[in-house]
Amino acid sequence: AQKITQTQPGMFVQEKEAVTLDCTYDTSDPSYGLFWYKQPSSGEMIFLIYQGSYDQQNATEGRYSLNFQKARKSANLVISASQLGDSAMYFCAMREDAGGTSYGKLTFGQGTILTVHP
Amino acid sequence: EPEVTQTPSHQVTQMGQEVILRCVPISNHLYFYWYRQILGQKVEFLVSFYNNEISEKSEIFDDQFSVERPDGSNFTLKIRSTKLEDSAMYFCASRRRGPVGGELFFGEGSRLTVL
Repeated sequence: AQKITQTQPGMFVQEKEAVTLDCTYDTSDPSYGLFWYKQPSSGEMIFLIYQGSYDQQNATEGRYSLNFQKARKSANLVISASQLGDSAMYFCAMREDAGGTSYGKLTFGQGTILTVHP
Repeated sequence: EPEVTQTPSHQVTQMGQEVILRCVPISNHLYFYWYRQILGQKVEFLVSFYNNEISEKSEIFDDQFSVERPDGSNFTLKIRSTKLEDSAMYFCASRRRGPVGGELFFGEGSRLTVL
């Protein structure tokens, strides 16, 4: 089974509107972290936001927020007020704590290409 | 702002040749990683390195691959005899010691093209 699933290969949004990028995950580890990274066409990986499995509140970072629904095992990224510069590939990733033995490996989803239209 | 730097940005090589990709992680970080991304596909874990040894590796990381940190700053990935399917973007990443939530800081990647 896939540990991280991103079901939207591509998404389109109008500039200044909000968009939600879906991510579901699969783990039996009670302690884990969920991450979103942005990969523009230039190729670098840019960290956006993090959510810990024990965090009570949804994470927010500026225009990015993470809609964490633990029971559903989903960690959707919400981008508010989209900008043209948000056009990129977006990856959801997970780190499992593995009882404290994890060395921090991230497992990535397939990614979603977001296109922002003017 | 400190960053992870990688060289070369692009390397073209012939099948069967050895390739060394270099990375300088962020100076106070303790965990180091290599990932690869075949064009248009997801980012795949190769290996993690901590305390001067491999801490975890994936099935992709076979005997053709090796990593080392020869001088306390550089972190290298060596592919002994490249194959066509090794063509990919290779990302180095590092993380400071911390809880499970510490994010990975990625370099800008080294694109390897095997002909």
